[in-house]
Amino acid sequence: GESVGLHLPTLSVQEGDNSIINCAYSNSASDYFIWYKQESGKGPQFIIDIRSNMDKRQGQRVTVLLNKTVKHLSLQIAATQPGDSAVYFCAEAPYDKVIFGPGTSLSVIP
Amino acid sequence: EPEVTQTPSHQVTQMGQEVILRCVPISNHLYFYWYRQILGQKVEFLVSFYNNEISEKSEIFDDQFSVERPDGSNFTLKIRSTKLEDSAMYFCASSEDGALSGANVLTFGAGSRLTVL
Repeated sequence: GESVGLHLPTLSVQEGDNSIINCAYSNSASDYFIWYKQESGKGPQFIIDIRSNMDKRQGQRVTVLLNKTVKHLSLQIAATQPGDSAVYFCAEAPYDKVIFGPGTSLSVIP
Repeated sequence: EPEVTQTPSHQVTQMGQEVILRCVPISNHLYFYWYRQILGQKVEFLVSFYNNEISEKSEIFDDQFSVERPDGSNFTLKIRSTKLEDSAMYFCASSEDGALSGANVLTFGAGSRLTVL
């Protein structure tokens, strides 16, 4: 049978609460960052992005914060819904490719 | 909404066999990518492709791998002699501009699951 992969960090939140998912990136040359959502059995789906000349960007129910000093990204989801349950990946884009971080599994408790 | 389509959705093959995974990127996109995801792990970059040539590749993309755009619509990933550790989900992605250009950069397909026995 298939081997079990690495255990993803898991965040469990109550429906309606806010979620915060954190990510550390590694490459100081990265000047573009993206958050992707991956639902079970699907490919990664774009959520929101931010360039290095910004420290905050807001979308619909989502906010991305960037702290370049400590190379840290966070994704905030307001009023978390059951449909938000998924694995969330931060990604950085040094040069002309997108490099994914390890991912966080978000579980929403109804 | 335009989407990236991948075939097959699941392929089972014997170790040592050749496998071709196919992708139809979004029609007006110019940049194409292959990523893989081993079960439960992160999404790993394999290769990027632009203007009919590889623009960047990772250490994973060794001589056993090749990519091709045989016509105006398909983008393929070939693994010449599969190994057990090639078992993974393979995602194709495309973008209108390069990775640094802006929002909604990469659109991913649903993936092709490869199982090597």
